[in-house]
Amino acid sequence: KAGVTQTPRYLIKTRGQQVTLSCSPISGHRSVSWYQQTPGQGLQFLFEYFSETQRNKGNFPGRFSGRQFSNSRSEMNVSTLELGDSALYLCASSPGQAGNYNEQFFGPGTRLTVL
Amino acid sequence: DQQVKQNSPSLSVQEGRISILNCDYTNSMFDYFLWYKKYPAEGPTFLISISSIKDKNEDGRFTVFLNKSAKHLSLHIVPSQPGDSAVYFCAASRLSGSARQLTFGSGTQLTVLP
Repeated sequence: KAGVTQTPRYLIKTRGQQVTLSCSPISGHRSVSWYQQTPGQGLQFLFEYFSETQRNKGNFPGRFSGRQFSNSRSEMNVSTLELGDSALYLCASSPGQAGNYNEQFFGPGTRLTVL
Repeated sequence: DQQVKQNSPSLSVQEGRISILNCDYTNSMFDYFLWYKKYPAEGPTFLISISSIKDKNEDGRFTVFLNKSAKHLSLHIVPSQPGDSAVYFCAASRLSGSARQLTFGSGTQLTVLP
């Protein structure tokens, strides 16, 4: 079974630009969560999508948005990039049944650098 | 407000000895706890978990202890091996609406010296 894939793996942008990151979950998984990892901050939860609907959201500004397609693939968009958005963006998939804990499987991440 | 805290950014241990990684949490709504391990250039991988109704869970060389009254959990690795060198994240899960949300600590870099 293929794991979680994320594209691109590395990205360099300049301030003010926008960026779209992509995540393909494990086959059969319906939940996709996005996290931002910065040094000293651990993994900060951005949002979770389940069956094309945002089910949960962290404390990030509206510049961060996402969506999920009918095949469970998900995209994350960051508009008007700021230097502080430089981070590793991780995507995790899980079966997603409501109420039960489902182990999350992580992709390798996209390293975004904002200059 | 950090609800899950790993106060030690790094830990060095000799090969063969015990590694103890600590984690504290503040939200009493957390009912499931996990440890993830992360190597450079890879995503975190699940290591071991524990439900809040238990105080210990063991899997081979890895044991997680939960002290609910102190809101503290720890991961013990015995014996430690050089391949265990990685960043370890503690995470806590709770129901948020109809979904579960994972909150991660900031991680502890474990270095096992040969």
